[in-house]
Amino acid sequence: EPEVTQTPSHQVTQMGQEVILRCVPISNHLYFYWYRQILGQKVEFLVSFYNNEISEKSEIFDDQFSVERPDGSNFTLKIRSTKLEDSAMYFCASRRGLLYGYTFGSGTRLTVV
Amino acid sequence: AQTVTQSQPEMSVQEAETVTLSCTYDTSENNYYLFWYKQPPSRQMILVIRQEAYKQQNATENRFSVNFQKAAKSFSLKISDSQLGDTAMYFCASGETSGSRLTFGEGTQLTVNP
Repeated sequence: EPEVTQTPSHQVTQMGQEVILRCVPISNHLYFYWYRQILGQKVEFLVSFYNNEISEKSEIFDDQFSVERPDGSNFTLKIRSTKLEDSAMYFCASRRGLLYGYTFGSGTRLTVV
Repeated sequence: AQTVTQSQPEMSVQEAETVTLSCTYDTSENNYYLFWYKQPPSRQMILVIRQEAYKQQNATENRFSVNFQKAAKSFSLKISDSQLGDTAMYFCASGETSGSRLTFGEGTQLTVNP
């Protein structure tokens, strides 16, 4: 069964550093998403991406965050200057269309120290 | 905006028995989807079952079934013949067909006891 692949599985970074989280969505999917889950809390929407542009973003997704689909296969989330409170599990998801279900990746655990 | 509420932070069930997890939601949309996701200790998000709001028939996936009450905005998950591998956090989520985001509930930690 096709999978959404996320790398790395765990990243530790120092506060103030830039991080890039990578995702390879399922190849025939058109809609891409990032969610995050702070430990012990609910999963929160960050951003959705369609047709090479952001289609929706949450209030969490401020100027420190950006997304890119540089080469037609990878979908990246960049955090420019990480804060301690950015420590969370980050999930990438994709779906084929608006009438289809979401497939989530295994997540990247980001730890900011 | 959509909201999803799971009022049971924790539940436990004996192996082979049946358990029901509750979920209520609120939306102003007519067209939406509802989902149950399972998150084992590995923290991967695994789709358990989904329900289209326009379908009256409750979705079923092997041992998993839902009780979808559209008027009451209720979407409970029933797990039959519970197995040890069902131990996980279960999240209820809703998504608009015209929109982008999924809105998640707080989660219910289910423990299946031998």
